[in-house]
Amino acid sequence: GESVGLHLPTLSVQEGDNSIINCAYSNSASDYFIWYKQESGKGPQFIIDIRSNMDKRQGQRVTVLLNKTVKHLSLQIAATQPGDSAVYFCAENLGDSWGKLQFGAGTQVVVTP
Amino acid sequence: GAGVSQSPSNKVTEKGKDVELRCDPISGHTALYWYRQSLGQGLEFLIYFQGNSAPDKSGLPSDRFSAERTGGSVSTLTIQRTQQEDSAVYLCASSLRVESSYEQYFGPGTRLTVT
Repeated sequence: GESVGLHLPTLSVQEGDNSIINCAYSNSASDYFIWYKQESGKGPQFIIDIRSNMDKRQGQRVTVLLNKTVKHLSLQIAATQPGDSAVYFCAENLGDSWGKLQFGAGTQVVVTP
Repeated sequence: GAGVSQSPSNKVTEKGKDVELRCDPISGHTALYWYRQSLGQGLEFLIYFQGNSAPDKSGLPSDRFSAERTGGSVSTLTIQRTQQEDSAVYLCASSLRVESSYEQYFGPGTRLTVT
C-alpha cells in the first residue's frame, strides 16, 4: 500500500558536519511533505515543509529537497549542533483529505562532539 | 503565547477501564488532530476536527475509540474498555485551519499505560 518510509533508522553525525536524512514515499498524489523534529519526551516540532510543485526549499540551517521522479525527500541540516540530536520524521499529506498526515517511522540523529 | 496542552501527562489504568484524554489547542486554531505513537514508532493518525466536526474518522483503531470537540476548542479522546495494546503516547496537535495542516503544533502528549 501507500507508505512513507525512511532509509536509515539511526544517523551519527559529528558536530559541525552536515546531516542528510532521507525519506522515500510512494504516493504520487501527495500535495506536500513536512519534516518534524521530536526531542525525547516532547511532541514533534515542525521544521519545514515543501509543496509538491517545488524541488527545493530552504530554511534556517535546513534545506528540504524533493525528487518526484524517484519519490524521494531529504532534509539537510547544515553545521549540525548538539541540539539537533532528536528523531526526525517525514510526513506527507495524502492529497485526498486535508488534515490527514501519514508519518514515516523516523530517523534518530545523534550528534557527537 | 501558550502552546497545545494535554492532560493528564501520564495515565496508568487497568485493562477494561475507560479513559479520557484531554487536549487544549492553541487559541484561535480551528483544526485539531489526534495521533498515537507507540514506543519507538512513528505517529499514527487517529482523527482530526475542523471546528467541532470530524470529517475523517478512518484512523480510529476500533469502535472503542471516540473523540469529541466542543465549542471549537477543547477535545477529548475516549478509549473504552482499554486493552494492553492501547498503551502508547497520545499526541494532540492544532493548526490555524485545516488548510494549514502542514504546520501543526503538537502538545507534549499523554503517556497511557494499560496494565
